[in-house]
Amino acid sequence: KNEVEQSPQNLTAQEGEFITINCSYSVGISALHWLQQHPGGGIVSLFMLSSGKKKHGRLIATINIQEKHSSLHITASHPRDSAVYICAAYNNNDMRFGAGTRLTVKP
Amino acid sequence: EAGVAQSPRYKIIEKRQSVAFWCNPISGHATLYWYQQILGQGPKLLIQFQNNGVVDDSQLPKDRFSAERLKGVDSTLKIQPAKLEDSAVYLCASSVPGQGWTQYFGPGTRLTVL
Repeated sequence: KNEVEQSPQNLTAQEGEFITINCSYSVGISALHWLQQHPGGGIVSLFMLSSGKKKHGRLIATINIQEKHSSLHITASHPRDSAVYICAAYNNNDMRFGAGTRLTVKP
Repeated sequence: EAGVAQSPRYKIIEKRQSVAFWCNPISGHATLYWYQQILGQGPKLLIQFQNNGVVDDSQLPKDRFSAERLKGVDSTLKIQPAKLEDSAVYLCASSVPGQGWTQYFGPGTRLTVL
């Protein structure tokens, strides 16, 4: 069993839909990241959080430390949101990555 | 601020050939990471440098992979000889020492081994 599990693996949505991507982790963490990876490989950090909730534009990330679970939400999704979203758990100089969720938003 | 630079962006080689990737981290970032990302999986750490010293290379297949960061700035990752299963995106990232929770990633090098 992977230490960082994401669901779903693939997600297709229509433009405007509300998107939720989930991440569960089994390791202790000091921080959890949500990353966005576009075709071609480049990775962009969206959020780093250790508690509660963060919002940036149409993106919202939440974390429940007790349940070892985090969610990434995208409101009013747009085709340009199509990418792979990766959850990564950081602790003690060690970053563990989930396998990613491939999101496709259709116009 | 310039980001992490990597080259080449794409490389196609035949199995048993050699290949080298280059990474230039963000200026001032003493910590440098090389990751391997196989299609459909998350990145896997190959090696971590602090300046020119190796912090963690436990997952580096040392029989064929090598990496160096001689002057503590840019780094090269080499595969010799390459196998089909080495086909992946190789990502370089850097961070400020003691702040490894914020890593800045380069665009990656996509390697295809035929």
